[in-house]
Amino acid sequence: AQKVTQAQTEISVVEKEDVTLDCVYETRDTTYYLFWYKQPPSGELVFLIRRNSFDEQNEISGRYSWNFQKSTSSFNFTITASQVVDSAVYFCALPTGRRALTFGSGTRLQVQP
Amino acid sequence: DGGITQSPKYLFRKEGQNVTLSCEQNLNHDAMYWYRQDPGQGLRLIYYSQIVNDFQKGDIAEGYSVSREKKESFPLTVTSAQKNPTAFYLCASSLGAGGPEAFFGQGTRLTVV
Repeated sequence: AQKVTQAQTEISVVEKEDVTLDCVYETRDTTYYLFWYKQPPSGELVFLIRRNSFDEQNEISGRYSWNFQKSTSSFNFTITASQVVDSAVYFCALPTGRRALTFGSGTRLQVQP
Repeated sequence: DGGITQSPKYLFRKEGQNVTLSCEQNLNHDAMYWYRQDPGQGLRLIYYSQIVNDFQKGDIAEGYSVSREKKESFPLTVTSAQKNPTAFYLCASSLGAGGPEAFFGQGTRLTVV
């Protein structure tokens, strides 16, 4: 069965620190997508990135970067030089067949000024 | 502006009442979903619909019902059979079920009084 594990329940950092959010997944599919979403205090989930299992290249978007390693079933997310606006809950997700997304339990990130 | 609109933002229900949460999208997406989020937890799938006039139960469908009479609308009814309905409800849509990224509405916070 599909499973997503985000072992870090909550992380607190001081502004400008780098922080990495871990995501480990289980799937029987040979090809699949992986996603990261951000949930700010307002509640709406904001799509951050989609990664295809074919592509193991790291991706960088501004202060955000993602490290996908198929060999360890991990899809970690790093925020460089964190800012207070990065404070949110972050979810890693994996499609479950042709149904919907299976989400991890989320990691709450608090960035202190 | 394309997007997903959920209403109301806050909803209060008395014990024994049925309530309906609205979800409308103008993204021309085929698939729509309802998720439930409890405090400090991830999202759990209630129902999903891949096409009009068709929907499937998710992991926690008991006490809920849906309809999909129009492509752009996927209302969720929380019935009196749902024993613990107080939660945050999120609606989402995507081009195809389990495939490309899903986009989310701003959520409805339901409280039983």
